[in-house]
Amino acid sequence: IQMTQSPSSLSASVGDRVIITCRASQNIGNYLSWFQQTPGKGPKLLIYVASSLQSGVPSRFSGSGSGTDFSLTISGLHREDFATYYCQQSYNTPYTFGQGTKVEI
Amino acid sequence: EVQVVESGGGLVQPGGSLRLSCVASGFSFSRFLMNWVRQTPGKGLEWVANIKEDGSAKYYVESVKGRFTISRDNAKNSVYLQMDSLRAEDTAVYYCARGQNYYYYMDVWGKGTTVTVSS
Repeated sequence: IQMTQSPSSLSASVGDRVIITCRASQNIGNYLSWFQQTPGKGPKLLIYVASSLQSGVPSRFSGSGSGTDFSLTISGLHREDFATYYCQQSYNTPYTFGQGTKVEI
Repeated sequence: EVQVVESGGGLVQPGGSLRLSCVASGFSFSRFLMNWVRQTPGKGLEWVANIKEDGSAKYYVESVKGRFTISRDNAKNSVYLQMDSLRAEDTAVYYCARGQNYYYYMDVWGKGTTVTVSS
């Protein structure tokens, strides 16, 4: 299953609303996660089962979608949100990731 | 604190072998699926393998089948990745990640260990 994210990168300012999209090459139901990664660190789970917020993750992060089309929304960017974001399907193995979206200042 | 810590990375020549380890703490290790994921600058994040709670089932990405073996020791709260016949394209940071049995999402990740395959 191929996962295609868009855009590959974007420039934004503190306080902006940002939307990242992810498309699966086939129906994956809700088997979709979103991760945040900053340089030198492992990925951090933000959203699982397409729209469930991981414990401890700020509520400005939200996920939506099902089937083949998904999105991650950050409502009001904070400085610590400037990072790279990945979607990932766990519908079947091999699990696959999107190519990433770098959110820059 | 719930965490996983990887070790065992290093520099190895093409064709060589390396064994990665991941030690878990802060949770009931034997109740969770465990995964290995790698990351290269060129290919981004790539899931490598996973193993069921009791070790009864193992799955691999096609590119490592026959060369890598995932295993676990629940008594030691550890999961391993034996990597044989290493190639330059296996150079990456390797992460260990806990997998939930509900929708199989990966919720706890380590900091990674770096594997470099070069002569």
